[in-house]
Amino acid sequence: QSVLTQPPSASGAPGQTVTIYCSGSSSNIGGNYVNWYQQLPETAPKLLIFNHSQRPSGVPDRFSGSKSGTSASLAISGLQSEDEADYYCAAWDDSLNGPVFGGGTKVTVL
Amino acid sequence: EVQLLESGGDLVQPGWSLRLSCAASGFTFGNYAMSWARQAPGKGLEWVAVIRGSAGTTYHANSVKGRFTISRDNSKNTLYLQMTGLRAEDTAVYYCAKAINTASRWGGGSWGRGVLVTVSS
Repeated sequence: QSVLTQPPSASGAPGQTVTIYCSGSSSNIGGNYVNWYQQLPETAPKLLIFNHSQRPSGVPDRFSGSKSGTSASLAISGLQSEDEADYYCAAWDDSLNGPVFGGGTKVTVL
Repeated sequence: EVQLLESGGDLVQPGWSLRLSCAASGFTFGNYAMSWARQAPGKGLEWVAVIRGSAGTTYHANSVKGRFTISRDNSKNTLYLQMTGLRAEDTAVYYCAKAINTASRWGGGSWGRGVLVTVSS
């Protein structure tokens, strides 16, 4: 059971917007930055969003992140077939004194 | 260009020890926190351990505390994970990751390709 809770799957048609939610608590998301990672099949994770909503250089602006209270979300707009991947949220947890991941959400493009 | 190259993965028996290494290049290694994360077959990601830059402060996940030790040699630009008392549930691909920036205490701004550790009798 992951400390951060994500839905196991999400899907959308090409061009649509998919939003993935990540639920935590005051000891993690509520007081610390949230990062989002994309993991394509059989590859290493890649940083997609950091500090709730910042995009590293090279990440398309179709990907956006936000945070409200003890939850965070990742939105993928203009969904494309290459967006099929697993997406993970992560944050530092003050109670565990270390970083924690969500369980991951598999995004399928219909 | 940031490069992280893990090595040391192997097939070992339960109870054995193993040391993973991560050779870093393309950035000032000592200025960044570094991490190990792992992914069991068909499962999600789990952060294993984090080590700060020059100060060396470490954090270990409860699942490995007392068995695994993260360390670094800034003179060799290398990160290590010493694993002892290995269990079947430690079977996973282990990734080396670099913090997002010098102010981050953890991160995953860049990742290595990973190395497979299999624990089985």
